Amino acid sequence: QVQLVESGGGLVKPGGSLRLSCAASGFTFSDYYMSWIRQAPGKGLEWVSYISSSGSTIYYADSVKGRFTISRDNAKNSLYLQMNSLRAEDTAVYYCASLDSSGYYHPYWGQGTLVTVSS
Amino acid sequence: SYVLTQPPSVSVAPGKTARITCGGNNIGSKSVHWYQQKPGQAPVLVIYYDSDRPSGIPERFSGSNSGNTATLTISRVEAGDEADYYCQVWDSSSDHPEVFGGGTKLTVL
Repeated sequence: QVQLVESGGGLVKPGGSLRLSCAASGFTFSDYYMSWIRQAPGKGLEWVSYISSSGSTIYYADSVKGRFTISRDNAKNSLYLQMNSLRAEDTAVYYCASLDSSGYYHPYWGQGTLVTVSS
Repeated sequence: SYVLTQPPSVSVAPGKTARITCGGNNIGSKSVHWYQQKPGQAPVLVIYYDSDRPSGIPERFSGSNSGNTATLTISRVEAGDEADYYCQVWDSSSDHPEVFGGGTKLTVL
């Protein structure tokens, strides 16, 4: 069955960096667009970044543009989010989610990984 | 960028019908998707393409979309339907294409 498993979260100081990973299985990863979506404690869902199946098209939310970098390795069935210059407001559970290429909805989500930015 | 507006909360008695709205400028021209999220869990897709249900989602869940409002309708509400619900669209004209509504907490009385 389809599985998305995030890893790499943890506690980091303001200004620090983290790299999140998302391991995909149970589907042809290279055929799917992917997104990172985050949820701050007690808050709603916030879209963070999008990458096309080949990696040729990438978008970022204004809140992370210039600090976060999305990438993927289709040979390793993996999605990444490099997060630099982290701020307290980046504290959230980060989800990776597959994106249906025709309707742009998320049929599958990972369980999420918690990133806490605090001194 | 495109904005989606949801009521923060909706309350309904068991067995009744809950309607959760999602407002946006001419949202009827877009495809709207809905997710259910229970505490401590990842979101689950419950409606896509305005009104289609993924396999495994009860027929009690339905959706509609017209004009400036999309609606998620849950018939014969059960205690297990208590959750946060989010609408989502893809705005292909934007370089910030993915948009979520602020979420609605459904409380079953």
